[in-house]
Amino acid sequence: GDSVTQMEGPVTLSEEAFLTINCTYTATGYPSLFWYVQYPGEGLQLLLKATKADDKGSNKGFEATYRKETTSFHLEKGSVQVSDSAVYFCALNSNSGYALNFGKGTSLLVTP
Amino acid sequence: EAQVTQNPRYLITVTGKKLTVTCSQNMNHEYMSWYRQDPGLGLRQIYYSMNVEVTDKGDVPEGYKVSRKEKRNFPLILESPSPNQTSLYFCASSSAQLTGANVLTFGAGSRLTVL
Repeated sequence: GDSVTQMEGPVTLSEEAFLTINCTYTATGYPSLFWYVQYPGEGLQLLLKATKADDKGSNKGFEATYRKETTSFHLEKGSVQVSDSAVYFCALNSNSGYALNFGKGTSLLVTP
Repeated sequence: EAQVTQNPRYLITVTGKKLTVTCSQNMNHEYMSWYRQDPGLGLRQIYYSMNVEVTDKGDVPEGYKVSRKEKRNFPLILESPSPNQTSLYFCASSSAQLTGANVLTFGAGSRLTVL
């Protein structure tokens, strides 16, 4: 079945460092791909999305490109801030329409 | 403000004592779902609903019940809670079924502890 694999955390970075969180997927057909972010004590919220191959999603300085050839959707940010400390989830729709398949999440801690 | 509201946010209960976690959305969304989040396991879907009176099991439905009598509400019922249901629960909704670019809007979460 469809699945998402994320790099395991926690990831600890200094402020202004470059961030990459790897995400690969297995799916039939052409899923849409998402990154959700969960700040401490809050629910998940959509960070960015891409609906077809070679699309680039972007928001708040974060970017991810839908790479069909490598079945990947890696999250990047050029210069992280302390306020980016959160748990990041990669997800895809299952094409059934009934569920999003989430990765296990990657915890990011940014230190001053 | 468009939102998904869950209550209670925190609950400590004992084994076997029935409880209900309420979920309400004000966006006229057709699709609603419950997830549980556990360390090392990520989010797993419990139940979902495509519309009023239409519900179905997700990946981990055992020990839970749901109902969808009104479009805005989707309560999660634990008839006889057990300690393995200690978890962080999220309700989420979407305007339609999860195809294409349709996204989920999540509630703030309900942390449940069963002693």
